[in-house]
Amino acid sequence: DIVMTQTPLSLSVTPGQPASISCKSSQSLLHGDGRTYLYWYQQRPGQPPQLLIYEVSNRFSGVADRFSGSGSGTDFTLQISRVKAEDVGVYYCMQSLQLPLTFGQGTKVEI
Amino acid sequence: QITLKESGPTLVKPTQTLTLTCTFSGFSLTTSGVAVGWIRQPPGRALEWLAFIYWDDDKFYSPSLRSRLTITKDTSKNQVVLTMTNMDPVDTATYYCAHWFKNLGYFDCWGQGSPVTVSS
Repeated sequence: DIVMTQTPLSLSVTPGQPASISCKSSQSLLHGDGRTYLYWYQQRPGQPPQLLIYEVSNRFSGVADRFSGSGSGTDFTLQISRVKAEDVGVYYCMQSLQLPLTFGQGTKVEI
Repeated sequence: QITLKESGPTLVKPTQTLTLTCTFSGFSLTTSGVAVGWIRQPPGRALEWLAFIYWDDDKFYSPSLRSRLTITKDTSKNQVVLTMTNMDPVDTATYYCAHWFKNLGYFDCWGQGSPVTVSS
C-alpha cells in the first residue's frame, strides 16, 4: 500500500494569513501516462469531504483561487494564501495511482 | 446534478452483518467508466477506502477487509449495496458512498454519510 503522510496534523492560523500543508507519499505518484494521481480534499465540520485539488495543482470546479497545490513525485503541498474563517476543517491528501486508495491522516485547520 | 444518499442501520451488534444502501441520481451505473465507491471514517479519524463497483460490474475491495465485504449494484433502482460481515466495535464509523469516474481518478461527489455504531 502507498502510505500518505501529512504534516502538520494540526494548524492554527490567523485569518488573512497563509497556511501550508505537506503530504508525502511512500512512492512516486507519477504514472506512466504522465499524470500524477494526488488529490486534496477539505472536510468541514459535520460535512462529507469535498474535492479541492486534482492531479497536484488543478483546482476543482468552484474552488476559491486562494487554494493552490504544488509538488511532484512524492512531495506535495496544499497552500491557502489567505485563510478565511470558512476554511476551518480537516484537509486530506489522497492517492489513486494504485489500489487500495489511501488517504493521509488529515490536517486540522483551526482559526 | 449528481446526488448520493446512504441509508442503513445506525446500530448493529458485534458479529452481525451490516447492510448499507447508496441511492444515487444524476448519473447512471450503466455508463462506461462510472463507478460508486464506499469510504468510511471512524469518529475523529481519517478516511479509509473500502470498495468500488464499476459500470461493467467489476469490483475492487480493500485488501484488509476483502473477506468481509461484498458490493453489488441494482441499476434499475440506481442503488449500490455494501455488506460487511462480522461487525466489531472498531467498525464504528460514518460510511460514505461517492461517485467515481475511471478516467478522472477521484471522488467528485459524496453522500452525507451514514453513521454506524457497533455495540452490544
